[in-house]
Amino acid sequence: EIVLTQSPGTLSLSPGERATLSCRASQSVRSSWIAWYQQKVGQAPRLLIYGASSRATGIPDRFSGSGSGADFTLTISSLEPEDFAVYYCQHYGDSPGTFGQGTKLEIK
Amino acid sequence: QLVQSGAEVKKVGASLKVSCKASNYSFSSYGISWVRQAPGQGLECMGWISADNGNTNSAQKFQDRLTMTTDPSTNTAYMELRSLRSDDTAVYYCARSLWSNYFDPWGQGTLVIVSS
Repeated sequence: EIVLTQSPGTLSLSPGERATLSCRASQSVRSSWIAWYQQKVGQAPRLLIYGASSRATGIPDRFSGSGSGADFTLTISSLEPEDFAVYYCQHYGDSPGTFGQGTKLEIK
Repeated sequence: QLVQSGAEVKKVGASLKVSCKASNYSFSSYGISWVRQAPGQGLECMGWISADNGNTNSAQKFQDRLTMTTDPSTNTAYMELRSLRSDDTAVYYCARSLWSNYFDPWGQGTLVIVSS
């Protein structure tokens, strides 16, 4: 089973700053099988990125995904107040899939 | 859109059944994944069921306690978890997905509290 490790655990930034979130897999994976989700308090997760770099419908272009092999990154180019949440990466190549432990993005 | 059944309180050793009603898409063209989230914790994949033929795939830790079914006549998926323990206390989510694919959209979640 592939294990995903996200870093940092918590990221403290201010609105307008750039956020870079990391997701490392325990072995090389196909980039087409990596997704990113955003979860706000009391809400269900929302798909942001699939296939490592494709934005889901309705997702602003300040969100971008990149990476290959075992290292993947979610970048938020300029943080908006509504972006402060928990972010999870997912590997979905082996059903039922696995999630990283999450990165909490908090307001500094 | 996926709409789940309401919150439940269960006793240790009991069974749980959560429903997930789909709308505004062709139900049989996708599957349903089930994910849970314990209080203050991350997301845990439980399993997946095809809404086309009922094929299922469960995470190993749930294989002996988890049953997933669908009712195509009502576009509803069900997740049953047996022999509940206190550490099954969690919010349970359903999400639309194809086999080995991303999850989108998600249901609103069902809070389940297991107490002794």
